[in-house]
Amino acid sequence: TQLLEQSPQFLSIQEGENLTVYCNSSSVFSSLQWYRQEPGEGPVLLVTVVTGGEVKKLKRLTFQFGDARKDSSLHITAAQTGDTGLYLCAGAASWGQFYFGTGTSLTVIP
Amino acid sequence: NAGVTQTPKFRVLKTGQSMTLLCAQDMNHEYMYWYRQDPGMGLRLIHYSVGEGTTAKGEVPDGYNVSRLKKQNFLLGLESAAPSQTSVYFCASGVPNQPQHFGDGTRLSIL
Repeated sequence: TQLLEQSPQFLSIQEGENLTVYCNSSSVFSSLQWYRQEPGEGPVLLVTVVTGGEVKKLKRLTFQFGDARKDSSLHITAAQTGDTGLYLCAGAASWGQFYFGTGTSLTVIP
Repeated sequence: NAGVTQTPKFRVLKTGQSMTLLCAQDMNHEYMYWYRQDPGMGLRLIHYSVGEGTTAKGEVPDGYNVSRLKKQNFLLGLESAAPSQTSVYFCASGVPNQPQHFGDGTRLSIL
């Protein structure tokens, strides 16, 4: 049973388009993180959201944490080929364990 | 800045063989984790450690053992490898309530 479900699982878009990736759960998390992973490498942290309803922006990336701290979304504006990769959300349990989502594989076509 | 280092990077084993994967971190982190990553499954926690000398089971611990004899090292052992353990293994380290730092992974194939 996967604690965190991500959608879509695969996404292929043209450069310049916008996209949103969703991370949903029935569990409440103390914080939620988004990572990006490139082939042959480990995940690299993009952002951590802690407060319900929180919105964080990193250049063209906007992250939102749901009010109930059960879900999150990642929105990318004007996607670039460098955004290609596997995007993973991870929810933090209160005692230090992290639960990872199933991942969204994004391909941005030039 | 080494961060988290995993050895080996690649390994091919025969069914029934044993091996140990080594994870080393130089950030003085208390917490260390071993995950496996399979297509469509994301990262699943195998075992973790909240400090030197302590270990605990994660989501998928069967068939694996771990040891944390030194704070900077976390070893993952396969006593009798099975084809179902073919995967990419990631080690991570961190401190409570903070994001984890990951190694680059070990690609393990069991024939």
